[in-house]
Amino acid sequence: DAGVIQSPRHEVTEMGQEVTLRCKPISGHDYLFWYRQTMMRGLELLIYFNNNVPIDDSGMPEDRFSAKMPNASFSTLKIQPSEPRDSAVYFCASSLSLQGVNEQFFGPGTRLTVL
Amino acid sequence: AQSVTQLDSQVPVFEEAPVELRCNYSSSVSVYLFWYVQYPNQGLQLLLKYLSGSTLVKGINGFEAEFNKSQTSFHLRKPSVHISDTAEYFCAVIAGNNFNKFYFGSGTKLNVKP
Repeated sequence: DAGVIQSPRHEVTEMGQEVTLRCKPISGHDYLFWYRQTMMRGLELLIYFNNNVPIDDSGMPEDRFSAKMPNASFSTLKIQPSEPRDSAVYFCASSLSLQGVNEQFFGPGTRLTVL
Repeated sequence: AQSVTQLDSQVPVFEEAPVELRCNYSSSVSVYLFWYVQYPNQGLQLLLKYLSGSTLVKGINGFEAEFNKSQTSFHLRKPSVHISDTAEYFCAVIAGNNFNKFYFGSGTKLNVKP
């Protein structure tokens, strides 16, 4: 398996523009997670899905952020409009829903820079 | 509430020296503990995990960690580091019944010098 795939790897945009980050989880995994990593706040969980349904979005910073999972193999995280403080590395991760605690597998991340 | 504290933001060490990266957690319920490693420009990879049983856990690349309930710690150790161990290390905890909600520490950058 190719692992969790994220695109683009790098994104530079101007303040006010819409940004869409994409994620393909590992085939067969039914949990998908979006994280944000910054120097100031470390690694934060934004939202996670189970079987394409959002379960916990309490980490989404504000209404400018939205996430969707239209099918089991694709998810997007959208920021509209983007602001400089959104600059961060965004990670997607996926896991299996076996009994008990399951390892999360992370993608390589998307480095977002908002000018 | 659950939280994870990594006391050292950076740890410089010479090659072949031992290293310990510290992690403390706070939780009033049973916990499950993890160490992840992030190499430059890559995502996080699982290094080791403690779910139950023996408090000494061995992971990949010669790392090990010990769960100490009385001190609420889960420190990561390696007896002899290599240049290739240079990376950022994250401690994480799951507490209670939500097995999908990881709480990560702020990370420790390990810099191994020749």
